[in-house]
Amino acid sequence: GAGVSQSPRYKVAKRGQDVALRCDPISGHVSLFWYQQALGQGPEFLTYFQNEAQLDKSGLPSDRFFAERPEGSVSTLKIQRTQQEDSAVYLCASSWDRVGQPQHFGDGTRLSIL
Amino acid sequence: DAKTTQPNSMESNEEEPVHLPCNHSTISGTDYIHWYRQLPSQGPEYVIHGLTSNVNNRMASLAIAEDRKSSTLILHRATLRDAAVYYCIPTNYGGSQGNLIFGKGTKLSVKP
Repeated sequence: GAGVSQSPRYKVAKRGQDVALRCDPISGHVSLFWYQQALGQGPEFLTYFQNEAQLDKSGLPSDRFFAERPEGSVSTLKIQRTQQEDSAVYLCASSWDRVGQPQHFGDGTRLSIL
Repeated sequence: DAKTTQPNSMESNEEEPVHLPCNHSTISGTDYIHWYRQLPSQGPEYVIHGLTSNVNNRMASLAIAEDRKSSTLILHRATLRDAAVYYCIPTNYGGSQGNLIFGKGTKLSVKP
């Protein structure tokens, strides 16, 4: 199908390693969001892109988190010097426009930091 | 941002109707009410949204109180596949925030 695709599905890393998580949004979707979901909690907003522009990164928990969408399609969320508290499911969502349109989510990347 | 209150969990029998309530007493006049659900090990899935009038689609119906301080998501005939966490999310069309603010939602269990 032509849904939002995230890879890898699972990622295990040692504390201190850098990781990169990929999101392929639905073709033509202008808006792209990253969320973090801790076990047993609802997803929490991390950052937002409109095409290639990162317009909101207020939810990024620290400067170790970095996201990019250089050509306005595929996005990468990078976490440097990972820590155990970074363990979570990272969800990507896309929509036609930022305001009000339903967001289409991928199934997430489950990140475990040992 | 409007705060929401939902029951932590609900149970239903298969093929029976389910009414999932949500209180959003601080909702603003321009906030639409969105519902998403999240099946186990999957990302959230859009269900339905509305502003003032009741809404129907192939998945569910949304009943919105006249004062808009509460709403109810109605699944007309629950199936086992409807077992999920359901999130009620007021959003602000035209505002500066487009990201979704999830609460803890209601975990729906469906018994065969």
